[in-house]
Amino acid sequence: DSGVTQTPKHLITATGQRVTLRCSPRSGDLSVYWYQQSLDQGLQFLIQYYNGEERAKGNILERFSAQQFPDLHSELNLSSLELGDSALYFCASSVNWDGGNEAFFGQGTRLTVV
Amino acid sequence: QQQVKQSPQSLIVQKGGISIINCAYENTAFDYFPWYQQFPGKGPALLIAIRPDVSEKKEGRFTISFNKSAKQFSLHIMDSQPGDSATYFCAASPVYNQGGKLIFGQGTELSVKP
Repeated sequence: DSGVTQTPKHLITATGQRVTLRCSPRSGDLSVYWYQQSLDQGLQFLIQYYNGEERAKGNILERFSAQQFPDLHSELNLSSLELGDSALYFCASSVNWDGGNEAFFGQGTRLTVV
Repeated sequence: QQQVKQSPQSLIVQKGGISIINCAYENTAFDYFPWYQQFPGKGPALLIAIRPDVSEKKEGRFTISFNKSAKQFSLHIMDSQPGDSATYFCAASPVYNQGGKLIFGQGTELSVKP
């Protein structure tokens, strides 16, 4: 158990809908990262928050947004969902905001858009 | 320049054999190179990591070899066991001032036959 908790584990929704994925980082970790894993794209970095502030952005679609709350949990919001958004979404956390720190991954949320 | 190229895509090794997975990168700003292990239905878990100031790091049966001039690094799994069957990802990250995002290779599916 990595100590990173993601909910829900599975989500099935229809095209055009909006969903929210939730992540609780390991105790003491201030950085939260979101990654998308798909068969064709592999593991892709989406966005990083550190202590409530956005720190780095990857190839995150404009339909996607995230935030980190004062209690350090994070939410990833996906809207106007398309079939191609079906993927595993992982949250990871680390102590600091910079590189070189071990990132601990949650078990992921499997999103299926039908 | 942000890519990390990983090979092979899949690997079959006999129990007791050596598994070797290779990665190459272009971005000279990368200076943290972790390897992650992922079992089906689980999130990636850090296996071992290296910085460019050393050419080799060993932890148990797992060894990273690093060639800074060639911008290549590899994972060696000695005495491979069926329990090592998983997908392995190399990754790279700049350490300073660019956030902690990881750029992942495409993954190698390792199967260790008894």
